[in-house]
Amino acid sequence: AQTVTQSQPEMSVQEAETVTLSCTYDTSESDYYLFWYKQPPSRQMILVIRQEAYKQQNATENRFSVNFQKAAKSFSLKISDSQLGDAAMYFCAYRDNNDMRFGAGTRLTVKP
Amino acid sequence: DTEVTQTPKHLVMGMTNKKSLKCEQHMGHRAMYWYKQKAKKPPELMFVYSYEKLSINESVPSRFSPECPNSSLLNLHLHALQPEDSALYLCASSQRPHERDIQYFGAGTRLSVL
Repeated sequence: AQTVTQSQPEMSVQEAETVTLSCTYDTSESDYYLFWYKQPPSRQMILVIRQEAYKQQNATENRFSVNFQKAAKSFSLKISDSQLGDAAMYFCAYRDNNDMRFGAGTRLTVKP
Repeated sequence: DTEVTQTPKHLVMGMTNKKSLKCEQHMGHRAMYWYKQKAKKPPELMFVYSYEKLSINESVPSRFSPECPNSSLLNLHLHALQPEDSALYLCASSQRPHERDIQYFGAGTRLSVL
């Protein structure tokens, strides 16, 4: 089975600064997708960003970008100009046509 | 409208009770999912419905019984649960069951089994 590893249980960032959350995964599949989801306290999980494995170009969504290293099976999330509203649990997720798995999550705290 | 609505928000039940969780979406999505999330853990996939048919059952005990009456509605019927089944149950939907499709999540039902 595919595995997703987030090695940082907690991270902290100063408001307006940049933070990078790490994610690695293991798969033998060639066609898959990677996602970062955000789950604020007591609120529903929402998609932050999506990356197709066949695309070399890193995905970006406003202040959020990824560093996708397919050979290293690494998929980190960079949050620029951090805002108080970015405080949440962030889950890295892997999906292929047979499997959907989430990492253990990284709790991000944003300090004013 | 990108909303997935789950009811009830909270549920407390005894081990001999029968209850149901409900999930509704009106986005025309044809794939719907049930996840179980224990405290401080990631969501774990339980079931996937694809075009109203059960396509994935992740070896979930039979005391959990999913049902998809139509393309907008997903139920999870609960019977003879155990205290370890206490968790947040999340529903999600996506336009298709394709792996590239974004899943939209509901706020969840927090279940406590006494």
